[in-house]
Amino acid sequence: NAGVTQTPKFRVLKTGQSMTLLCAQDMNHEYMYWYRQDPGMGLRLIHYSVGEGTTAKGEVPDGYNVSRLKKQNFLLGLESAAPSQTSVYFCASSFPTDRGGFNEQFFGPGTRLTVL
Amino acid sequence: DAKTTQPNSMESNEEEPVHLPCNHSTISGTDYIHWYRQLPSQGPEYVIHGLTSNVNNRMASLAIAEDRKSSTLILHRATLRDAAVYYCILRDIEGRANTGKLIFGQGTTLQVKP
Repeated sequence: NAGVTQTPKFRVLKTGQSMTLLCAQDMNHEYMYWYRQDPGMGLRLIHYSVGEGTTAKGEVPDGYNVSRLKKQNFLLGLESAAPSQTSVYFCASSFPTDRGGFNEQFFGPGTRLTVL
Repeated sequence: DAKTTQPNSMESNEEEPVHLPCNHSTISGTDYIHWYRQLPSQGPEYVIHGLTSNVNNRMASLAIAEDRKSSTLILHRATLRDAAVYYCILRDIEGRANTGKLIFGQGTTLQVKP
């Protein structure tokens, strides 16, 4: 099993350009998440999905859109990239939370994005 | 979500035990304590979680104070591969929502010296 994979690994954009980051998981997980991590900081949740066809906003959703058309894929889009979106982006997936509210999240290797 | 406070950094010697503290004085009765770690240039990985009782697994132990206002992640014998950022995260069971959202702080950077 590949686990959680992210495409691309690196990308450089100019201000105003658009792009889509792809997250794929082969663990049949219901839940998927997109986080961003700025230098020296912890991860911040951008958007998440608790099932195919559903998405919801996280802590820092502005400037991003997401889609979950297939259970195994979660796409993160930047319509008009800004330098403030320079960051490392991590995708994660998990099974639904158990009765105690726990779910182990499995993270991908990250996409390093630079916006000039 | 309730806040956690962790030291910015800690050092340990290889093969010695490491105790990573976390303060969470505003924890509620339904907040679970989670620990994740992030190795250099990788995504985070789950370490352990607990509610009230101390917990052990193959990676670490979690000691939870009786009043639950603090907890300690224990690595019994640190190795060079344990050098990472360790995040202590509180998460409410969220009633029916159960979205599994994690709110990361800045974590503790653990350095392990040979």
